[in-house]
Amino acid sequence: DAGVIQSPRHEVTEMGQEVTLRCKPISGHNSLFWYRQTMMRGLELLIYFNNNVPIDDSGMPEDRFSAKMPNASFSTLKIQPSEPRDSAVYFCASSLKPPSDAEQYFGPGTRLTVT
Amino acid sequence: QKEVEQNSGPLSVPEGAIASLNCTYSDRVSQSFFWYRQYSGKSPELIMSIYSNGDKEDGRFTAQLNKASQYVSLLIRDSQPSDSATYLCAVNMYLPDTGNQFYFGTGTSLTVIP
Repeated sequence: DAGVIQSPRHEVTEMGQEVTLRCKPISGHNSLFWYRQTMMRGLELLIYFNNNVPIDDSGMPEDRFSAKMPNASFSTLKIQPSEPRDSAVYFCASSLKPPSDAEQYFGPGTRLTVT
Repeated sequence: QKEVEQNSGPLSVPEGAIASLNCTYSDRVSQSFFWYRQYSGKSPELIMSIYSNGDKEDGRFTAQLNKASQYVSLLIRDSQPSDSATYLCAVNMYLPDTGNQFYFGTGTSLTVIP
């Protein structure tokens, strides 16, 4: 059974460009999470969806970040315009249980470098 | 104060010893607790979840939860070099204003020395 799928695995872009990260959750999972991980700040929750509806986006750093989940099998995280401080590994995770006791399964991550 | 705190380590133990990883959290409405393992360059992998006070054992791993002390720990018995990784503590908290909030600690780096 396939796990969480993320693309691209690596992205290098110049400051000011738009970046779109993609995620396909595990089939049947109804919660999806976007995280950012850096050495300085560790793993930070950016936003999570339950049944395709954004529940909590308080972790989204600013208006340059946006996330969508148009259906149960696909989500995007967009950064426009990108900045060097956005460089990080971005993880998508999904879970089957309700968010209150979610055991989350992580994708392989997208390593973003903004120059 | 951070919501979830862990000693960053590094923690080094000899092969075959017990590794003890600790985590404290700041809020009493926390509901569920998780331990993830992350190898260098890889994604976090769930290894244990615990929801009630006491111990929960799964193979060589034991999670311990003490809600009164706001403390959760992970014991790894008979440590193996393959256990060398960063261990992340995660806590789900329910807050009346914002609902469920998830927080990860910054992780403890464990090295098992052959």
